[in-house]
Amino acid sequence: GAGVSQSPSNKVTEKGKDVELRCDPISGHTALYWYRQRLGQGLEFLIYFQGNSAPDKSGLPSDRFSAERTGESVSTLTIQRTQQEDSAVYLCASSLGLSPMGDTQYFGPGTRLTVL
Amino acid sequence: AQSVTQLDSHVSVSEGTPVLLRCNYSSSYSPSLFWYVQHPNKGLQLLLKYTSAATLVKGINGFEAEFKKSETSFHLTKPSAHMSDAAEYFCVVSALGTDKLIFGTGTRLQVFP
Repeated sequence: GAGVSQSPSNKVTEKGKDVELRCDPISGHTALYWYRQRLGQGLEFLIYFQGNSAPDKSGLPSDRFSAERTGESVSTLTIQRTQQEDSAVYLCASSLGLSPMGDTQYFGPGTRLTVL
Repeated sequence: AQSVTQLDSHVSVSEGTPVLLRCNYSSSYSPSLFWYVQHPNKGLQLLLKYTSAATLVKGINGFEAEFKKSETSFHLTKPSAHMSDAAEYFCVVSALGTDKLIFGTGTRLQVFP
């Protein structure tokens, strides 16, 4: 596609429910990233994929958070037993993944998650 | 560990006047540095990036930034603000050996007519 897409754009859920957030990266981009942006704050790194493997999961805030990527394309971020503090905008980015540093990341529009 | 500090949470300027958004970085190596812009209800867009080439980096929409190692700064400037520049600006550093981005807390730029 022309850019990174994410779905849904908005998700309202009740505390304790599970949610799945989807990211479609730019075609041909091998690297994929998930970030979280809480209200009025900068982005926090969650997890990074190179191909289908996740060499860096250091940003996942708890074991309720998990992510997978299949076919070096679509990625799903799953949050189990959601809590109110999980409310945030979840952003996905992709890059060519050719260089260890300085590779431009292209961001999707985000999924706004609200946990009631 | 790498980090960036954005010195101003809010900056207000009049249209047509210069813009200065300040950023200091902390890194034990020569970093890759970026500025991203986020307009309301829109995704993040890369303005410019520094990756150890020229220290003065030109970006889109007339923005530029200068890497100053002696001052550990990477301030964003524009000679003349436009109303459409009103947005949130993030200074970003790339973590060592990876493309993991570390974001500053952001500076909200307001432009008055």
